[in-house]
Amino acid sequence: KAGVTQTPRYLIKTRGQQVTLSCSPISGHRSVSWYQQTPGQGLQFLFEYFSETQRNKGNFPGRFSGRQFSNSRSEMNVSTLELGDSALYLCASSWTGGTGELFFGEGSRLTVL
Amino acid sequence: SQQGEEDPQALSIQEGENATMNCSYKTSINNLQWYRQNSGRGLVHLILIRSNEREKHSGRLRVTLDTSKKSSSLLITASRAADTASYFCATGEFKAAGNKLTFGGGTRVLVKP
Repeated sequence: KAGVTQTPRYLIKTRGQQVTLSCSPISGHRSVSWYQQTPGQGLQFLFEYFSETQRNKGNFPGRFSGRQFSNSRSEMNVSTLELGDSALYLCASSWTGGTGELFFGEGSRLTVL
Repeated sequence: SQQGEEDPQALSIQEGENATMNCSYKTSINNLQWYRQNSGRGLVHLILIRSNEREKHSGRLRVTLDTSKKSSSLLITASRAADTASYFCATGEFKAAGNKLTFGGGTRVLVKP
């Protein structure tokens, strides 16, 4: 069974640009969560989607958005990039979205110059 | 802010020794989980302990949970060089809707051969 797939793995953007990251969950998983990991702030919850609906949102500005498609694949978008958005963005999927085990992808490492 | 705070932040041991790390949290929880992250990679789920459990074992891992003290510990016995990684505790809030884990700052473990 394929794991969680995140694309792209690495990307470099400049301030002011926008970026879209993609996540394909494990087959059958309906919940997809996104986390931002930085050396200073650690792992921070961005948002969670379940059956195309955002159920939870973390404390991030509106520049961070996401969506989930009917096949459970998810995308997150960051607009008007800032230097502080440089981070490892991790996607995780789970069966039902209760607070159970999460299966993480390898992440998308974003560098903002 | 982070729910879980881990102690110590870093740990260096010799192969074969035991490694113990602790996690404290603030709110009522459904469960507490431990994850491992190898450098720059995604997180891997290790073990989940429910709020009504006090101790759980999985292979060389032993996790305890003290809800009265809002703390947990992870013990890795007979450590191996391959155990070198960062370890994170994560909590799921009691009665929280959907999937929203709050991660601690992590403990970096170095196992020297």
